[in-house]
Amino acid sequence: AIQLTQSPSSVSASLGDRITITCRSSQGIRDDLNWYQQKPGKAPKLLIYASSTLQGGVPSRFSGSGSGTDFTLTISNLQPEDFATYYCLQDFNYPHTFGQGTKLEIK
Amino acid sequence: EVQLAESGGDLVQPGGSLRLSCAVSGFILRRQYISWVRQAPGKGLEWVAVVYGAGSTFYADSVTGRFNISRDTSTNTVSLQMNRLRVEDSGIYYCARWGTSCGSRNCYDYWGRGTRVTVSS
Repeated sequence: AIQLTQSPSSVSASLGDRITITCRSSQGIRDDLNWYQQKPGKAPKLLIYASSTLQGGVPSRFSGSGSGTDFTLTISNLQPEDFATYYCLQDFNYPHTFGQGTKLEIK
Repeated sequence: EVQLAESGGDLVQPGGSLRLSCAVSGFILRRQYISWVRQAPGKGLEWVAVVYGAGSTFYADSVTGRFNISRDTSTNTVSLQMNRLRVEDSGIYYCARWGTSCGSRNCYDYWGRGTRVTVSS
């Protein structure tokens, strides 16, 4: 199974900051990489698919990039509602796999 | 409106069995891929299984041989039969559609709210 390694596992930031989360795949997955946001007690929410395409309704302060094995999620101008846990997911092949998650906390 | 709703979560002893259901609406089930994703308490997300096409399935290594995913297009329900349950199978189980709302790509676009499974003696 393809392994996804996310870093950092947690990050503290202030309102208005810009943060970047990385996701590295154990093998090439083209651009078959999605990003999800999860808040406590809620189901994950799709933010970005195909590495860099913003899902409808997601604010433009979220952006994604990368292909092959290295991917990034960037959140600019952090807002209070952005503090959550973020996961990458590869759907290049089965079994689909998630990164271990990055918890974004308020500094 | 697309909706998915899980049910069937419960407390079960190690070695026991449990059947989860995912009732779907707002789309044609036989045309979509439906997966189960779980989350152990305080832990990350783990993909479990998928059913698609004419009933094809795929499983995570951790559940292969113990879990069985199936669907009933007449009742618009996807089921996850879980056998030989282990303590580490505990968590919230979500069903999610790997749908076609992401341009030309598939993506997990709709999720249920989850159902809780606790495996404990």
